Amino acid sequence: EDQVTQSPEALRLQEGESSSLNCSYTVSGLRGLFWYRQDPGKGPEFLFTLYSAGEEKEKERLKATLTKKESFLHITAPKPEDSATYLCAVRGYTSGTYKYIFGTGTRLKVLA
Amino acid sequence: KAGVTQTPRYLIKTRGQQVTLSCSPISGHRSVSWYQQTPGQGLQFLFEYFSETQRNKGNFPGRFSGRQFSNSRSEMNVSTLELGDSALYLCASTLGPTSYEQYFGPGTRLTVT
Repeated sequence: EDQVTQSPEALRLQEGESSSLNCSYTVSGLRGLFWYRQDPGKGPEFLFTLYSAGEEKEKERLKATLTKKESFLHITAPKPEDSATYLCAVRGYTSGTYKYIFGTGTRLKVLA
Repeated sequence: KAGVTQTPRYLIKTRGQQVTLSCSPISGHRSVSWYQQTPGQGLQFLFEYFSETQRNKGNFPGRFSGRQFSNSRSEMNVSTLELGDSALYLCASTLGPTSYEQYFGPGTRLTVT
């Protein structure tokens, strides 16, 4: 069964304390893995797309990496404004149709 | 460049009623997808439209339907509302079916009483 699992569910960090979020996936016909940031009451904000194992993308304090079974979102020296829910999603091909499958997210809280 | 817009932002309906939600994609984007987001299930894919045609569909009952117009605007309809349909409904747009980077609107918060 296609699925995306994110861990941990919640994470509290002190400002400047680097860490990583994990996204493990099982999907048929992977057509991309995506990271989003979602603030309360808002729609997800696109961060990164990764297409093949070994690929890496960076944006400010965030770096996303991809292997054949999982992806990591590394947060370096986070700031309070990085507090949000981070969502991982895959686009796969299954049963004759393409679909996006989202994980349930990691709620990140960065303390000043 | 304006983002994805959704109307209305908030909606309260009664069980058994039907509802129509609207989504205007980013200018130049031709694919629109719809999602349901609930605290327990997270984001679940409803359907995807391109060139006025439903291209992909998630595992939702037939009460959930949608359409896309020639200007790429899309509407989603839910008939015979149930309490469990209370959720945040999100619309996302991409340039086209081979462009997978989705840009989301702010969502419509639907409450069914």
